[in-house]
Amino acid sequence: AQSVTQLGSHVSVSEGALVLLRCNYSSSVPPYLFWYVQYPNQGLQLLLKYTSAATLVKGINGFEAEFKKSETSFHLTKPSAHMSDAAEYFCAVSLSGGSNYKLTFGKGTLLTVNP
Amino acid sequence: KAGVTQTPRYLIKTRGQQVTLSCSPISGHRSVSWYQQTPGQGLQFLFEYFSETQRNKGNFPGRFSGRQFSNSRSEMNVSTLELGDSALYLCASSFPGDGYTFGSGTRLTVV
Repeated sequence: AQSVTQLGSHVSVSEGALVLLRCNYSSSVPPYLFWYVQYPNQGLQLLLKYTSAATLVKGINGFEAEFKKSETSFHLTKPSAHMSDAAEYFCAVSLSGGSNYKLTFGKGTLLTVNP
Repeated sequence: KAGVTQTPRYLIKTRGQQVTLSCSPISGHRSVSWYQQTPGQGLQFLFEYFSETQRNKGNFPGRFSGRQFSNSRSEMNVSTLELGDSALYLCASSFPGDGYTFGSGTRLTVV
C-alpha cells in the first residue's frame, strides 16, 4: 500500500524567495517518488523523480528534492521563485520496480508567486 | 520525440450517454495508464495496460472500462454517464526507469 500527504494546499511566496513544498509518503516497500507540475488546463509535467539512486534529486527549472527515509519525506525546493513557477504541484509515489503499475498522488499544492 | 497524445481535448455529453477517449503513447512505450482528476477527489488511478493486458485497476465502477491495442494505443470508455463523471481524464505512458509522461488530457463535461 502507498499514500502521499502534501502539507499545505496553498503556498504563497514573493518573487525571489525560497520555495518549499512539503510531501510525506507511506509505502510498504521502498518507493519511487515524483514531483509533477500542472499549469491551468494542461496535463502533468514531470519535474523530477527519485528511483533509489542519489537522495538529492535535481530537476527541471531549478527545482530539487531530497529523499529522507527516516522522515519519510520528499520535499520540493527552489532557491528563488519566479513568476512562471505559479502552478499546482503534485507529489506522487509508486512502488519500486513499478510492481503495482500505478502512481498515487497527493492532493496538490497551489503555489502563488507575488511580485 | 512526440509526446503522449490524447483526443479529443474537450467533450460535452449528456447524462446516460457513453463516451470513448483515446490515448497514443510515446513511441516505444508499452505501458499506458489512465487517471481521473476532479476538484473534490484529486487524481485517481483508473487502470493500467501493458501489451494489451490490464495489469491493475482502480476503485471505479464497471461503467469505466479500457483496452489497449497491439500498437499500444489505448482507449477508455465510460457508459451511462453521470454528472459526477465530469472530470479531466489524463493518460500516461511509461517505460521502465523513465517515469510516467502525461498527455494534456481530455476535459469531459456531462450535462
